[in-house]
Amino acid sequence: QSVLTQPPSVSAAPGQKVTISCSGSSSNIGNNYVSWYQQLPGTAPKLLIYDNNKRPSGIPDRFSGSKSGTSATLGITGLQTGDEADYYCGTWDSSLSVVFGTGTKVTVL
Amino acid sequence: EVQLVESGGGLVKPGGSLRLSCAASGFTFSSYSMNWVRQAPGKGLEWVSSISSSSSYIYYADSVKGRFTISRDNAKNSLYLQMNSLRAEDTAVYYCARDCSSTSCYWGYDYWGQGTLVTVSS
Repeated sequence: QSVLTQPPSVSAAPGQKVTISCSGSSSNIGNNYVSWYQQLPGTAPKLLIYDNNKRPSGIPDRFSGSKSGTSATLGITGLQTGDEADYYCGTWDSSLSVVFGTGTKVTVL
Repeated sequence: EVQLVESGGGLVKPGGSLRLSCAASGFTFSSYSMNWVRQAPGKGLEWVSSISSSSSYIYYADSVKGRFTISRDNAKNSLYLQMNSLRAEDTAVYYCARDCSSTSCYWGYDYWGQGTLVTVSS
């Protein structure tokens, strides 16, 4: 079962913007909806984005998602120290499985 | 308030068995597909298994197929994972997660439990 590819880390200063890419294939991202999860240190993952670009209630609009072809992107604007976490993308795969990204650590400089 | 509480983790020897439970509350459990996701120490998320609301559809990761069995009891609002023939590489925190695709989304895991640690070691 495949894994989605993310950059290991991204960083920016407070108030700046970061983007995290998630690369897959036609068997997963290309034909299915993508979700994104935030995992703060020592805690369970939390849904940030579902259905490619929708935010659950309570998630600030600083977080945004998009999808194009076989890739997806998470954007975080107005970066805050509280955003330091690991971020994962995920989606259904046509092999009748779920695949998650390799994870990206966001550091606020 | 939606709550998912895992239990049943612990230390087990290679080749041993363990049964994880996930107690759900705050929502109509029988309306949702449920899932197990694990995370090895210092590693990323790995999907383990999914079960549909009525148990009609069940899926497993290749890494656990034939060794793990997912089940649910809608009358008890509970999800289970029976883990047999455990290996060192099964050591991880195991999370149960609710799938919103049955109801309010196309795909996503909208609620997660706090996780239970399974350690496989002699």
